[in-house]
Amino acid sequence: GDSVTQMEGPVTLSEEAFLTINCTYTATGYPSLFWYVQYPGEGLQLLLKATKADDKGSNKGFEATYRKETTSFHLEKGSVQVSDSAVYFCALIPSGGGADGLTFGKGTHLIIQP
Amino acid sequence: GAVVSQHPSRVICKSGTSVKIECRSLDFQATTMFWYRQFPKQSLMLMATSNEGSKATYEQGVEKDKFLINHASLTLSTLTVTSAHPEDSSFYICSARDLGAPTYEQYFGPGTRLTVT
Repeated sequence: GDSVTQMEGPVTLSEEAFLTINCTYTATGYPSLFWYVQYPGEGLQLLLKATKADDKGSNKGFEATYRKETTSFHLEKGSVQVSDSAVYFCALIPSGGGADGLTFGKGTHLIIQP
Repeated sequence: GAVVSQHPSRVICKSGTSVKIECRSLDFQATTMFWYRQFPKQSLMLMATSNEGSKATYEQGVEKDKFLINHASLTLSTLTVTSAHPEDSSFYICSARDLGAPTYEQYFGPGTRLTVT
């Protein structure tokens, strides 16, 4: 079945550092890919998405590019802030699976220190 | 917009009792809602897909007689954990798909922490 693998945390960085959180997936065809963020005490929020190969999703300074050749969707940000501290989940929906639930990675806890 | 609420946010119950969790889409209609379970320091696992007016579809390994799902309207789905046991203690999260949005858009509730003593 489909699966998502992402680097496990916690990942601790200093403010203004460069961030990469790796995410790879296993799925047939062309799934839609997502990054969700969960701030302390809050529900999951969609951070960005990409629905076809080579698409780049971006939001709030975060970016991720859908790489079919490496089945990856790595999350990057050039300069992190303390407010970016949260748990980040990579997820997918299978091809044509608009009515399907999401398959999530295990989540990466990001801690940004001032 | 696109707000999903869950009630209660936390619940403690005794072993053997049943607990109902509500998931509501506040400002949109949701033909499909999803229920996930999240264990500590682990990912969200899809439990079931709830479609308005029809029976829920359960993922493999999820006991449908234990986790009863009802989706009686376009804005409300409920999950009832029947005869709860300590191993059912977990964080339960729902999401809803907006009728008016691209099919892959899902909006998540804040979750319900269930503790069974």
